Amino acid sequence: EAQVTQNPRYLITVTGKKLTVTCSQNMNHEYMSWYRQDPGLGLRQIYYSMNVEVTDKGDVPEGYKVSRKEKRNFPLILESPSPNQTSLYFCASSEYNEQFFGPGTRLTVL
Amino acid sequence: AQKVTQAQTEISVVEKEDVTLDCVYETRDTTYYLFWYKQPPSGELVFLIRRNSFDEQNEISGRYSWNFQKSTSSFNFTITASQVVDSAVYFCALSDPYNNNDMRFGAGTRLTVKP
Repeated sequence: EAQVTQNPRYLITVTGKKLTVTCSQNMNHEYMSWYRQDPGLGLRQIYYSMNVEVTDKGDVPEGYKVSRKEKRNFPLILESPSPNQTSLYFCASSEYNEQFFGPGTRLTVL
Repeated sequence: AQKVTQAQTEISVVEKEDVTLDCVYETRDTTYYLFWYKQPPSGELVFLIRRNSFDEQNEISGRYSWNFQKSTSSFNFTITASQVVDSAVYFCALSDPYNNNDMRFGAGTRLTVKP
């Protein structure tokens, strides 16, 4: 079954404690993205990747890092999380303008 | 720059009423895609429709229909005979067909359907 998986689905953490949200897709897509969703703002793109070792900033990249060492994986790294990064995060992979979204990760930073 | 506006933040209707969710977009591109997604209370994003800018035909899928009008840069979504299960947040989105990663979402419209 074609899918995008994210882990963890829920995470409560404290300010400054590094965390990684994993994202994996099994469709051999070249394009992958991370979004955050906040009330009244819709989804905003954090980072995207057009292929292995090729990543670029989206609209709201501050405070985040990504890596793309393998085609299937695109982890999102928060080196020093802050409360303003409390949000719902979605990973997506795409090809030919068809986006496949993961189930979302709800992150709370205290 | 690409932009999507969903002016209706929240809509509340009673079951069996028809409801239209508005979506207005801005783009300088002549070729683009428009999307609608549903986000139920469980949080996942459910794909509803994708429309190519060259295809202005309206689409109907069961109780759902979409009205695409390039002249007014709108891509409105109508639910006929709404049901409680239609309660969700609905997002309209716009993408650049030459850049898979350039997808812009509206702020979303929260639809509540009361029994």
